Order: sequence, then structure tokens, then C-alpha cells
Amino acid sequence: DAGITQSPRHKVTETGTPVTLRCHQTENHRYMYWYRQDPGHGLRLIHYSYGVKDTDKGEVSDGYSVSRSKTEDFLLTLESATSSQTSVYFCAISFAGGGGTGELFFGEGSRLTVL
Amino acid sequence: GQQLNQSPQSMFIQEGEDVSMNCTSSSIFNTWLWYKQDPGEGPVLLIALYKAGELTSNGRLTAQFGITRKDSFLNISASIPSDVGIYFCAGLAVPGANSKLTFGKGITLSVRP
Repeated sequence: DAGITQSPRHKVTETGTPVTLRCHQTENHRYMYWYRQDPGHGLRLIHYSYGVKDTDKGEVSDGYSVSRSKTEDFLLTLESATSSQTSVYFCAISFAGGGGTGELFFGEGSRLTVL
Repeated sequence: GQQLNQSPQSMFIQEGEDVSMNCTSSSIFNTWLWYKQDPGEGPVLLIALYKAGELTSNGRLTAQFGITRKDSFLNISASIPSDVGIYFCAGLAVPGANSKLTFGKGITLSVRP
């Protein structure tokens, strides 16, 4: 199994509070991604990173920011959580870039509930 | 934007039966992939297809990259209870390390013992 750890695995928070989800990898892969999964929508890309300090937006980036100060860590921040951000969040990594081969390795997910 | 269409949303089959899933698009994709998500877990890559017309097997799974490059199918033969999960197709329109995968919405497969 790819060495990907997401934390926290479960979180309940209130509207308006900041939330940070962490993805930690031990594979030294260059590419890291944050997806959200919602019923009826499948997996949607929020942000991705192609190297330390290099990040870009995905299709549903509004309300989210990311940071990558080290190869192994990719943080997803909700500055002011809203109920529409209740979801399951998945981190994924790729050694060749998802666009190179399409082969992503996913973490186990972080379930976020915003009340 | 590019979309991948998977239907129906859910499928129910009897243990031992074969099942086929399609993934279609109005756009051309140059790579097709199939992922499976077990309940409570992250998706895992099952099969990757890189050439139009390619047919690839992985145990009881067989997938094909459509010749038009606008579709792919996944076959599961002799289904077993552990085949339960969500099956996603994914595609890459333009190869390149910074290109992004497009995912279908997934098909939830249930297997009755």
C-alpha cells in the first residue's frame, strides 16, 4: 500500500470556523492532489501540487486553499467552513503526475461535517 | 468541460454472474482507467489502458479502450461478494504530467449471495 496518511479521519465543526486537513506521504512522490467525494458527483479535484510550493487549482477550488512546504505534506485549508463543504476529502499522490499515466494512489479519506 | 458518463448509478447482481460497465464521453481521451472504491476506503486503480483498441485483463477483470477513444468498458466475470463497491472510470484527454484526470460519477455495485 502507498504510504499516505490523512488526518484527521473524522471531524465535525461549525460554520465559519477554519479547518485544516493534512496529507502526509512517505513515497517521495512529486505530485499530490486533494479531491472531494459527494453523492451524485463522484470525485472532484479541488487543488493539486506538482512540487514544493507549486500548486494549482482544480475544478472546485472556491473556498479552499492549499500549501506544500515539504515534499511529504500537502495541507488543505477551509478558511471559513460552510455546510456545502461537508464531504469526504481524499488525498492522492502520483509518481509521474496524474496527467502522465493517470495512476493515482489515494489515502483513506477524511470525513468532514460542517454544522 | 469534459465529462465521463457512467450509468446506471447502481447495479445489483447475483453472486457468480458476470457484469459489464460502460463509460462514455463526447470527447476523445487518450488514456482510460478504472478504479474501485471499497466501502470506507479510498479508490484503488484496477486497470489502465493507454492505446485505442487495447484489451487488458487483471484476474476476473477485463477492460477495453474503445477504438473511437470515446469509450471504455469493464467486465467482471463470476462475481463474488468482495466485488461490492463503487467503480469509477477516469480519463486523460491530453497526456502530460500536469494534466488532470477526469472521473466519472461512479457505479455502485451490489452482489447478492
